[in-house]
Amino acid sequence: GQQVMQIPQYQHVQEGEDFTTYCNSSTTLSNIQWYKQRPGGHPVFLIQLVKSGEVKKQKRLTFQFGEAKKNSSLHITATQTTDVGTYFCAGPLIKAAGNKLTFGGGTRVLVKP
Amino acid sequence: DAGVIQSPRHEVTEMGQEVTLRCKPISGHNSLFWYRQTMMRGLELLIYFNNNVPIDDSGMPEDRFSAKMPNASFSTLKIQPSEPRDSAVYFCASGTGGSGGNQPQHFGDGTRLSIL
Repeated sequence: GQQVMQIPQYQHVQEGEDFTTYCNSSTTLSNIQWYKQRPGGHPVFLIQLVKSGEVKKQKRLTFQFGEAKKNSSLHITATQTTDVGTYFCAGPLIKAAGNKLTFGGGTRVLVKP
Repeated sequence: DAGVIQSPRHEVTEMGQEVTLRCKPISGHNSLFWYRQTMMRGLELLIYFNNNVPIDDSGMPEDRFSAKMPNASFSTLKIQPSEPRDSAVYFCASGTGGSGGNQPQHFGDGTRLSIL
């Protein structure tokens, strides 16, 4: 069935360094969404990408949607301790009854000060 | 502005008991989603409503689970009878638009459920 997969599952980053997390879908997506969940918290919507090849930035976070609309990436520059959390990508799973958002397994980010 | 409000925040109960989780979506949002999160299975969509009508309940684990949305400002997720494997964090989320996968979702703080 249609799946959304994320790698890596865990990311240990030294404070100040950059890193990238990747999201891949088995099918073409109409849009991709990214969420962040702090430890003990709830997922918080970060951004939605719709267009092929789209790139959006939020301060130190850069989000990209692949040309084929089957993959996406999140790049964080100069990682800070406030970046700790799990980052989820999510895409719509198309079904006859309408589509629903399918979440990837998440990348859990740990920052070493 | 008030976000999605869930209650209770924590629930500990014994196996076999009925559990009712409650959710108040953001005012004006017409879609409501119930998710379950566990370490093993991640974040799973259980059911979602659009304009108070259940659209997709294929994620509901079994007949022990039921969800209702009697009006635009209230929804419940009920588990009867509860089992230890139902222990998880249950999130409610709401959004706008008619399609569940094309809209950003706003999550509540969740209910941490423990079944002993």
